[in-house]
Amino acid sequence: NAGVTQTPKFQVLKTGQSMTLQCAQDMNHNSMYWYRQDPGMGLRLIYYSASEGTTDKGEVPNGYNVSRLNKREFSLRLESAAPSQTSVYFCASSEYAGQTYEQYFGPGTRLTVT
Amino acid sequence: AQSVAQPEDQVNVAEGNPLTVKCTYSVSGNPYLFWYVQYPNRGLQFLLKYITGDNLVKGSYGFEAEFNKSQTSFHLKKPSALVSDSALYFCAVRDMYNAGNMLTFGGGTRLMVKP
Repeated sequence: NAGVTQTPKFQVLKTGQSMTLQCAQDMNHNSMYWYRQDPGMGLRLIYYSASEGTTDKGEVPNGYNVSRLNKREFSLRLESAAPSQTSVYFCASSEYAGQTYEQYFGPGTRLTVT
Repeated sequence: AQSVAQPEDQVNVAEGNPLTVKCTYSVSGNPYLFWYVQYPNRGLQFLLKYITGDNLVKGSYGFEAEFNKSQTSFHLKKPSALVSDSALYFCAVRDMYNAGNMLTFGGGTRLMVKP
């Protein structure tokens, strides 16, 4: 039982390049989330998926797109990377969106945009 | 709207002494409150949560937190700190009316426990 896994662990992009961050969970959770973590700002929600087939914007969605590929996988895409997107990205999952279940986090992807 | 504040960027405590990491929140309805811990180069780990009931919540690794509705606070405590408790701690809140289980996190407090 690996929990929440993320790939890659590290990535360096040039401004304007695109990439997709992958996330998968093996806990049969319905809800999945993408956050970014910046120093002193805690975690901010980018997008979330309450259940398979649905996605919704969070606090900071601009410059990102997501795909809930199936129940296990939730990917985050940067179409044209910008230096402001330099951050650590975390994927999380929880059992149900409407209940007070805690979220489980992946190890993170450290992204640098030059 | 929901928000949470962690007023201290860093808390220093000697090993064996009690520790407190502060958190205050703002929500429209009743709050659901969480504490997470992050060790270097790792994801966040769940410590404890308050949903309803007893105001004192016990969690992992000997941590506990006290919900105080009148002061809108949810401070994290531990009676005797360990060096291994040194990490980054995040408080998070969810409004009971938030159907998407979207959490709002505080900025984090770095706990340094010195031998």
